[in-house]
Amino acid sequence: NAGVMQNPRHLVRRRGQEARLRCSPMKGHSHVYWYRQLPEEGLKFMVYLQKENIIDESGMPKERFSAEFPKEGPSILRIQQVVRGDSAAYFCASSARTATPATNEKLFFGSGTQLSVL
Amino acid sequence: DQQVKQNSPSLSVQEGRISILNCDYTNSMFDYFLWYKKYPAEGPTFLISISSIKDKNEDGRFTVFLNKSAKHLSLHIVPSQPGDSAVYFCAALRGSQGNLIFGKGTKLSVKP
Repeated sequence: NAGVMQNPRHLVRRRGQEARLRCSPMKGHSHVYWYRQLPEEGLKFMVYLQKENIIDESGMPKERFSAEFPKEGPSILRIQQVVRGDSAAYFCASSARTATPATNEKLFFGSGTQLSVL
Repeated sequence: DQQVKQNSPSLSVQEGRISILNCDYTNSMFDYFLWYKKYPAEGPTFLISISSIKDKNEDGRFTVFLNKSAKHLSLHIVPSQPGDSAVYFCAALRGSQGNLIFGKGTKLSVKP
């Protein structure tokens, strides 16, 4: 986990508010992945980004969720008009190259942001 | 529709004995498998991986076995130590985009 920084660690929002989750990848990593873990579930892929580009957002809910990874600064996962069902642990991971069987690249995870929607 | 299944939510083992964690998958297109270990309030940490062209990979006390015909893999920890107590996630890598498909995890408790 060393090096991937997520903040805040805990975030409490009321229904209808916006949640912004930040992720700074490990130094030298330009690939960022967001995963969500609902209670009693495994981690589920949401989105894969490289600097200034969304590569794969096949796991993102169609509405209210968006992600960016600007040229400068951390990656942001934004959830608009949060609902109780958004309560989960959101993990960010980074890698230096695209993680494929060929590259044998590993993902390094941050400690997560626990989002609680009241 | 779970493509990676860990059917045992929990496992309790005595210190010094072998821990065997199991994982089944349904998609024969998966060609790379990984195990992650997770402590409470932390993110998953990579433990060991195996390519589908192999049937065994060993790293110290950890060995992963892959049976492609049965679409089954297992993680063996021997000897088990109390510090191994954590949730273990099996994951499969799909395609070329780095999306890991995770199982629900197995909580391992190693008792002194």
